[in-house]
Amino acid sequence: EAQVTQNPRYLITVTGKKLTVTCSQNMNHEYMSWYRQDPGLGLRQIYYSMNVEVTDKGDVPEGYKVSRKEKRNFPLILESPSPNQTSLYFCASSLRPPAPLQNSPLHFGNGTRLTVT
Amino acid sequence: ELKVEQNPLFLSMQEGKNYTIYCNYSTTSDRLYWYRQDPGKSLESLFVLLSNGAVKQEGRLMASLDTKARLSTLHITAAVHDLSATYFCAAPTGYSGAGSYQLTFGKGTKLSVIP
Repeated sequence: EAQVTQNPRYLITVTGKKLTVTCSQNMNHEYMSWYRQDPGLGLRQIYYSMNVEVTDKGDVPEGYKVSRKEKRNFPLILESPSPNQTSLYFCASSLRPPAPLQNSPLHFGNGTRLTVT
Repeated sequence: ELKVEQNPLFLSMQEGKNYTIYCNYSTTSDRLYWYRQDPGKSLESLFVLLSNGAVKQEGRLMASLDTKARLSTLHITAAVHDLSATYFCAAPTGYSGAGSYQLTFGKGTKLSVIP
């Protein structure tokens, strides 16, 4: 089954303790992206990746890192989490990036609810 | 900076009624995406609108795109309870020089259809 898999689904941690949220897709998609969803703010893009070893900042990259060493995986790393990073995180992928002449809707993972105390 | 604005943000409507959700965006995007999110769930793609004048329909939902007005609409016909969800529009923007575009989402319209 074609899917985007995020782990864990729920995570409670303390300020400053490094964590990684994994994301994997089995559709051979080029484009992958991380979003955070907060009440009243909708979805905001954190980082995205055009392909292996190609990543770029979204609108809210501060406090996050990503890597794209393999096409299928796009982990989100919080080196020193803070309470303002408490949020619902979504990983998404598409066959091609959202560029002109491309018709590639994003496929979303099930989300990771992160709480930082 | 691209802005994508949806209105209304909250919509409560009775079953059987019609209504329209509006999505305005601030740059010259040639395409627009609509997504649906059920409570506690992930987002799923509804429509991809690829050009000016594009219209797509699925069931009781119809989406259209006017790139000159920078406006997309999502029209709901004869609403049913199963349509209760949050609807997001998204537009590509933010050319990075690497041939990439970000996808910027509106804040979402939370639709509640009351029996």
